[in-house]
Amino acid sequence: DAKTTQPNSMESNEEEPVHLPCNHSTISGTDYIHWYRQLPSQGPEYVIHGLTSNVNNRMASLAIAEDRKSSTLILHRATLRDAAVYYCILGTGNQFYFGTGTSLTVIP
Amino acid sequence: EPEVTQTPSHQVTQMGQEVILRCVPISNHLYFYWYRQILGQKVEFLVSFYNNEISEKSEIFDDQFSVERPDGSNFTLKIRSTKLEDSAMYFCASSAYRGDTDTQYFGPGTRLTVL
Repeated sequence: DAKTTQPNSMESNEEEPVHLPCNHSTISGTDYIHWYRQLPSQGPEYVIHGLTSNVNNRMASLAIAEDRKSSTLILHRATLRDAAVYYCILGTGNQFYFGTGTSLTVIP
Repeated sequence: EPEVTQTPSHQVTQMGQEVILRCVPISNHLYFYWYRQILGQKVEFLVSFYNNEISEKSEIFDDQFSVERPDGSNFTLKIRSTKLEDSAMYFCASSAYRGDTDTQYFGPGTRLTVL
């Protein structure tokens, strides 16, 4: 159901950039790519989303491959508060399929 | 900043009892959702709701579950006869437009414990 593949875990040093990859080889032309994160004991939190072009917001950047079969979430300077599970989700129908996500550990 | 709120934060109930989980979506949003997350597992979609009717539901959302928007602000999830396996975090979400193209804003969740 998830339709996306992400590494189970990644580590980053504090204040360094983090690149979180996601593969979505079965993406259709109208699927948006969404990224959410979930801190411990909290609800999922929106990070960023896009369709074809790269996107930037105050939290992160989203780089989408030209064939749209993969994308990368970029946190420009990881902080301890960025430690969370990051989910790459394809918007399909009126629901989200969450995979297991990438657990990001930020090392001080 | 507007946010989705949920009550109660924690609900403990006996197996077989009915529970109602409440959510107040963001006020100008039109699409509403329930998800659940069993401890240590992934977030699972339950149901989406638009224009006072269910638009999509998952296999999890069987006859024991129902949703309602009883007034202009609340969105509820009812479980008629709870089972042990219903113990989970339940998240409500809302979006202004269709969820696949728009941002879904999630509430903090209700932890349901069925004894």
